[in-house]
Amino acid sequence: DTAVSQTPKYLVTQMGNDKSIKCEQNLGHDTMYWYKQDSKKFLKIMFSYNNKELIINETVPNRFSPKSPDKAHLNLHINSLELGDSAVYFCASSQAGGLNTEAFFGQGTRLTVV
Amino acid sequence: DAKTTQPNSMESNEEEPVHLPCNHSTISGTDYIHWYRQLPSQGPEYVIHGLTSNVNNRMASLAIAEDRKSSTLILHRATLRDAAVYYCILRRGTSGTYKYIFGTGTRLKVLA
Repeated sequence: DTAVSQTPKYLVTQMGNDKSIKCEQNLGHDTMYWYKQDSKKFLKIMFSYNNKELIINETVPNRFSPKSPDKAHLNLHINSLELGDSAVYFCASSQAGGLNTEAFFGQGTRLTVV
Repeated sequence: DAKTTQPNSMESNEEEPVHLPCNHSTISGTDYIHWYRQLPSQGPEYVIHGLTSNVNNRMASLAIAEDRKSSTLILHRATLRDAAVYYCILRRGTSGTYKYIFGTGTRLKVLA
């Protein structure tokens, strides 16, 4: 049973299109994240949500809009896709506090904008 | 922002110990040091974390310098399955506001 699952795994789309990536976690965590991994494998945080509330917005363009309908889901909608948005996007979750605050990552969504 | 620096790549022979270094000279007092690894085509997975004291778990050991400006991940006996990119990370923030700040990672190659 997958702890953090993302869909789709691959996404190929044209410039200017709007697309969404969905994420679900079944770990009962309060905090969820979106990370972007570029072609050089560098991982950078984009957003975090705690209990459906936006906590971190790391100077991401307004074209990116996260939505958390409940604690177990954090979706990422991207408007007007650009070539530079091509990357692997990872969703993650963690407990909000306590001793075991390691993050659990999904398998990633490889977005290719052509 | 907080930053960690790691060697781009390292090699190890199978069944031998591996020491993966990380510098984090701008670490603040409440930052936790986390290590994750990423196997090909997968998401990062947790390895170990610590604050000030050395830590051991079934996967690895973490040695933290006394001034906390550097740490070393120790794999006691490398196997071929340990070939991955290892990330040294600072976890910053308070409960509910955590931010995992990734370094550039070390690609570990294990030779049979």
